[in-house]
Amino acid sequence: AQSVTQLGSHVSVSEGALVLLRCNYSSSVPPYLFWYVQYPNQGLQLLLKYTSAATLVKGINGFEAEFKKSETSFHLTKPSAHMSDAAEYFCAVIGGTIQGAQKLVFGQGTRLTINP
Amino acid sequence: DTEVTQTPKHLVMGMTNKKSLKCEQHMGHRAMYWYKQKAKKPPELMFVYSYEKLSINESVPSRFSPECPNSSLLNLHLHALQPEDSALYLCASSLVGGINEKLFFGSGTQLSVL
Repeated sequence: AQSVTQLGSHVSVSEGALVLLRCNYSSSVPPYLFWYVQYPNQGLQLLLKYTSAATLVKGINGFEAEFKKSETSFHLTKPSAHMSDAAEYFCAVIGGTIQGAQKLVFGQGTRLTINP
Repeated sequence: DTEVTQTPKHLVMGMTNKKSLKCEQHMGHRAMYWYKQKAKKPPELMFVYSYEKLSINESVPSRFSPECPNSSLLNLHLHALQPEDSALYLCASSLVGGINEKLFFGSGTQLSVL
């Protein structure tokens, strides 16, 4: 079964520093991977998704992720952190589809804190 | 309109109460989802409707009863809940058919069971 593992439940960086959030996947078939962000007291918002068209995926708010099959990874990065990036980040994978609807399986989440 | 609207935003109920959560979208999405999220945990899938038919039930207790009366509305009926059912309940919707369709999430209903 497809699954994802996020390394580090909490990451803290200084404003302006590089953000790196780690996600490794486990899948016997090419995975369909996503990064979602959840701000406090809100639902989830898609940052980006891997579509197999390109290994480097650019998303919203300056985030990008690189799919590395050899490392079974899909890490999320942003060159320069902003205070507004403080949130919970979830890596997710499609765990299957039934009648056209998909089962999205989330990792445990990484809480990103930005220090001024 | 690219929003999924959930009501109410907050709900407090006793263990003998009956209440309902409502979710609405007008994006033409024919797949709608209920997720449960406990504090500091990832969302967990509960139910999925595809073309107004229940297609996935993740072994959810019968005290949770979903309903999809039309293509825009999704309800979750609650009855005889337990305190451990307190959580954020998230609704989502997506197009049907693509393997990696984006899910649009509502802001959720924060449920407290006393």
